[in-house]
Amino acid sequence: GAVVSQHPSWVICKSGTSVKIECRSLDFQATTMFWYRQFPKQSLMLMATSNEGSKATYEQGVEKDKFLINHASLTLSTLTVTSAHPEDSSFYICSARDLVEGANTDTQYFGPGTRLTVL
Amino acid sequence: GQQLNQSPQSMFIQEGEDVSMNCTSSSIFNTWLWYKQDPGEGPVLLIALYKAGELTSNGRLTAQFGITRKDSFLNISASIPSDVGIYFCAGQIIQGAQKLVFGQGTRLTINP
Repeated sequence: GAVVSQHPSWVICKSGTSVKIECRSLDFQATTMFWYRQFPKQSLMLMATSNEGSKATYEQGVEKDKFLINHASLTLSTLTVTSAHPEDSSFYICSARDLVEGANTDTQYFGPGTRLTVL
Repeated sequence: GQQLNQSPQSMFIQEGEDVSMNCTSSSIFNTWLWYKQDPGEGPVLLIALYKAGELTSNGRLTAQFGITRKDSFLNISASIPSDVGIYFCAGQIIQGAQKLVFGQGTRLTINP
């Protein structure tokens, strides 16, 4: 099956610093990747849609200047949390879209997540 | 916006029992996906459904795409301890619209 990796798996940083999280599709090309945020015992909340070669599309209420997204290649998207604060502590998960035109299937595969703790 | 109502929110069962959970919506979906999430991990795709009425199995798991396109169920037969986790349904409104709408999740606990 399709594999998506994330790096790092966990990070602890000081308040005010920036943190970059990478999302890679390992065995398929993904023109579209998604970034989610998940709080304990809650469902996934979509933050933004990352499109290769163009600007990301942010969901309502998500600050684009705080959560910078770059999708530089068909296998890599990055999320940078700028000037992180304790309230940004969360579990961040990416997914990559695997669209198989001939089979008419459209599936999202998720990375293992990144646990961010801001002190 | 679109919402998925997933039930039950939690289940406590004995090992070996069958499990059933479902998702409903007021919106029509063209794709239904079922995921399982273990603590501290990302969701893992279990079953993908693309056609109304479609019934698909993956080992002990069976899922169906409702004929109205507004609901789906997931069944697990003969549960085992490794089935413990949170199960999420997710629906895609239009193929090409890309975004998924997630249910609230069903937390499954199994007593050995």
